[in-house]
Amino acid sequence: GNSVTQMEGPVTLSEEAFLTINCTYTATGYPSLFWYVQYPGEGLQLLLKATKADDKGSNKGFEATYRKETTSFHLEKGSVQVSDSAVYFCALSDIQGAQKLVFGQGTRLTINP
Amino acid sequence: DAGVIQSPRHEVTEMGQEVTLRCKPISGHDYLFWYRQTMMRGLELLIYFNNNVPIDDSGMPEDRFSAKMPNASFSTLKIQPSEPRDSAVYFCASGPDSRETQFFGPGTRLTVL
Repeated sequence: GNSVTQMEGPVTLSEEAFLTINCTYTATGYPSLFWYVQYPGEGLQLLLKATKADDKGSNKGFEATYRKETTSFHLEKGSVQVSDSAVYFCALSDIQGAQKLVFGQGTRLTINP
Repeated sequence: DAGVIQSPRHEVTEMGQEVTLRCKPISGHDYLFWYRQTMMRGLELLIYFNNNVPIDDSGMPEDRFSAKMPNASFSTLKIQPSEPRDSAVYFCASGPDSRETQFFGPGTRLTVL
């Protein structure tokens, strides 16, 4: 079945460091890919998405490119801030069931000042 | 828009008691999802509805769990009887028709003693 594998955390960086959180997927067909972010004590929020191969999703300085050849959707940010500390989830749409998302296990990111 | 509303935000109960979690989706959204989040198992989809009809309940852990959506603006997730291993954060999410982005509520933190 469809699945998502994320880089294991926790990840700790200093402010202004470069961030990469790896995400690879297994799916039949051509799913849409997502990154969600969960701040402490809150629900998940959509951070960015890409719906087809070579699409780049971007938001709040974060970017991810849908790479069909490597089945990857790595999250990057050039200069992280303390406020980026959160748990990040990679997800894909399950094309077998409309609207059903498959989530990775989440990566906890802590940014130190 | 107020977003997805969940109640209560926190629930502490004793083993064997009935627990009812409530959700009000965003107006106009045709899809409603119930998730459970734990440290051990991550984020799990329990059940989802389309136009108030349950579509996939394969994630519901056992018969002690039940979910209903009597109308487009309200859903409940019931656990009867509750057990300590049900302790988790339960999220409700909703999504508009023909799109894949899901909007999450703030969650209900359930503790079963």
